[in-house]
Amino acid sequence: DTAVSQTPKYLVTQMGNDKSIKCEQNLGHDTMYWYKQDSKKFLKIMFSYNNKELIINETVPNRFSPKSPDKAHLNLHINSLELGDSAVYFCASSQEGGAVTEAFFGQGTRLTVV
Amino acid sequence: AQKVTQAQTEISVVEKEDVTLDCVYETRDTTYYLFWYKQPPSGELVFLIRRNSFDEQNEISGRYSWNFQKSTSSFNFTITASQVVDSAVYFCALSEPNTGFQKLVFGTGTRLLVSP
Repeated sequence: DTAVSQTPKYLVTQMGNDKSIKCEQNLGHDTMYWYKQDSKKFLKIMFSYNNKELIINETVPNRFSPKSPDKAHLNLHINSLELGDSAVYFCASSQEGGAVTEAFFGQGTRLTVV
Repeated sequence: AQKVTQAQTEISVVEKEDVTLDCVYETRDTTYYLFWYKQPPSGELVFLIRRNSFDEQNEISGRYSWNFQKSTSSFNFTITASQVVDSAVYFCALSEPNTGFQKLVFGTGTRLLVSP
C-alpha cells in the first residue's frame, strides 16, 4: 500500500559499475521526480517527468539517465558510477495542473559507491 | 533566483519546551508555494504543510503551527510542547510554479534534538 516505493533501499557497488533504481507510485499522479540528498543532507532536484515526458533536467551528468515507461514509474539508471555519486536518492510524485500540490516521497535509496 | 535559508543548523531542547524553526526565502515571483517536510531518523521525507503566497493566514495543526509573513519573507514553524518523537531534520522548501510544474528548492535543514 506504499504510495511511492523505491527499490532497492540500499545499494552498495563498485566504481565503474552501472546500476538502476526503480520507482513506482500508486497515487495516480502524473508527475514524478528524482532528488539527490548528499552527505550533508542537502536535497536537490535532478529530474522531473510529466506524463512520461522529461520536464526538468538540472545539470545532471549524462551518466544519469531517467526512464519513464509509464506515468506510474520513473527509473534512474546510472552508468560508470563514481565515488561522488554516493548519496540518498529520493523518488517523488505529485499531481500537477493548476495549483501546485505537495510532493510525496519514497523511502529513499542509499547508494554507496566503493 | 530562488533560495531558502534555514540558519539554524541544529537545535536541542528538552521535552515539553516550545521550539521555533526559522525559514527565510527569496523569490522574484509573486506566486509561489512554501512547504515544510520532516525527515525522521528512519530517513523518509514526510510532508507537513503547503502554503501559497496569497494565503498569509497562520495555521495550527495540533502541536504544530506555522507563521507566514510575506513582509519578512519568512515561513517559521513552531512545535509546542515538544516530544522526543519530534526529533528529526526539518526542511523548508519553496516552489515556483511558473513553468507549470513543481520544482522544490530546499533549505539546508534544521536538525531538532528533543531529549527526555
